[in-house]
Amino acid sequence: DAGVIQSPRHEVTEMGQEVTLRCKPISGHNSLFWYRQTMMRGLELLIYFNNNVPIDDSGMPEDRFSAKMPNASFSTLKIQPSEPRDSAVYFCASSGGPNTGELFFGEGSRLTVL
Amino acid sequence: AQSVTQLDSQVPVFEEAPVELRCNYSSSVSVYLFWYVQYPNQGLQLLLKYLSGSTLVKGINGFEAEFNKSQTSFHLRKPSVHISDTAEYFCANLGGFQKLVFGTGTRLLVSP
Repeated sequence: DAGVIQSPRHEVTEMGQEVTLRCKPISGHNSLFWYRQTMMRGLELLIYFNNNVPIDDSGMPEDRFSAKMPNASFSTLKIQPSEPRDSAVYFCASSGGPNTGELFFGEGSRLTVL
Repeated sequence: AQSVTQLDSQVPVFEEAPVELRCNYSSSVSVYLFWYVQYPNQGLQLLLKYLSGSTLVKGINGFEAEFNKSQTSFHLRKPSVHISDTAEYFCANLGGFQKLVFGTGTRLLVSP
């Protein structure tokens, strides 16, 4: 199994630009999570999907952030326009069962907004 | 609200020494607790979990944790650490709708 695949691994962009982060969950997993990790705030759950449907997006910081899951094998997290305070490592994780708490994480996308 | 508290931000230890990383939880409902490990420049991976049953839980890489309801704790232990155990360790609690809430993390630094 290839695990959760995220791209890009690193992204450097300028303030105001649109950023799109991509995630391919483990095949057969029906839940997908987006987390953000910073030194100041630690790991924050941004949004999670179950069977491609957004269930809880209460962690999405503001309207500049949006996430989609058009099918079971692909999700995107978009920031438009980006700001320096969005600089962080963004993790995607997937899970195969309800309420197991066992998440499989990708290696993350490190975003730097100048 | 359910939450976990990791009391130590950093724990230095010598190789082959025992280690305990502390985690306390607060919850008034069923408790599902987890420890995850994050090696440098990698995502998190599950070390062990407590859902029910035996309070002593064994995980990967020789780690174990004990669920203590009276002390609301779920401390992680290893009797003898290796250099390769240097990483950040996160305690987590499962809330409603699969919401895994992580603690602030404890950085374990193993030196020779």
